[in-house]
Amino acid sequence: GENVEQHPSTLSVQEGDSAVIKCTYSDSASNYFPWYKQELGKRPQLIIDIRSNVGEKKDQRIAVTLNKTAKHFSLHITETQPEDSAVYFCAASSNSGGGADGLTFGKGTHLIIQP
Amino acid sequence: SAVISQKPSRDICQRGTSLTIQCQVDSQVTMMFWYRQQPGQSLTLIATANQGSEATYESGFVIDKFPISRPNLTFSTLTVSNMSPEDSSIYLCSVRLAGSSFFAGELFFGEGSRLTVL
Repeated sequence: GENVEQHPSTLSVQEGDSAVIKCTYSDSASNYFPWYKQELGKRPQLIIDIRSNVGEKKDQRIAVTLNKTAKHFSLHITETQPEDSAVYFCAASSNSGGGADGLTFGKGTHLIIQP
Repeated sequence: SAVISQKPSRDICQRGTSLTIQCQVDSQVTMMFWYRQQPGQSLTLIATANQGSEATYESGFVIDKFPISRPNLTFSTLTVSNMSPEDSSIYLCSVRLAGSSFFAGELFFGEGSRLTVL
């Protein structure tokens, strides 16, 4: 099955700086790569996703890049703000059955924005 | 998006008992999944809840311990059987909405059911 590795486990950055979180996956059949943000005591919420036919996607201060050859993808947050502090999870999924597969998650990155 | 209601939101249970968690969605969904999130940990897929048939379990999870039902498209239950302290966790229902693109689409999560086993 799929295995997703995520680094770093904790990331502390100064407010206004950029943050980068990296993930690798093992299953070359994976074709969907979402990123979830989970604030303390709340449910995970999708912040951005990318599909295997795209190399990069951006949404305001958040961007995701995908390198299918190397099987890794990254989350980039620019101009970080205090409200960006949370745990971020990457995930991967394959579409072997028309969207039937659940997501395999990385272990998470605790992002701390220092004022 | 969708409103995903889970009950109970939290419970404290005694060792050896069983608890059933319910998940109700207000929209048409194609897929329903159950995840476990142990304190401070990532999300682990327990099983895919299949409508009208047996759930599909991931490695390390078995039907006797985590029986799942999905009698219709928008409702599912997860039972945690013969509980032990190691089962203390947050259990999350997750759905993929009908109308998602051919590629695997976004998963929406319920608020979770926080289970503590004494």
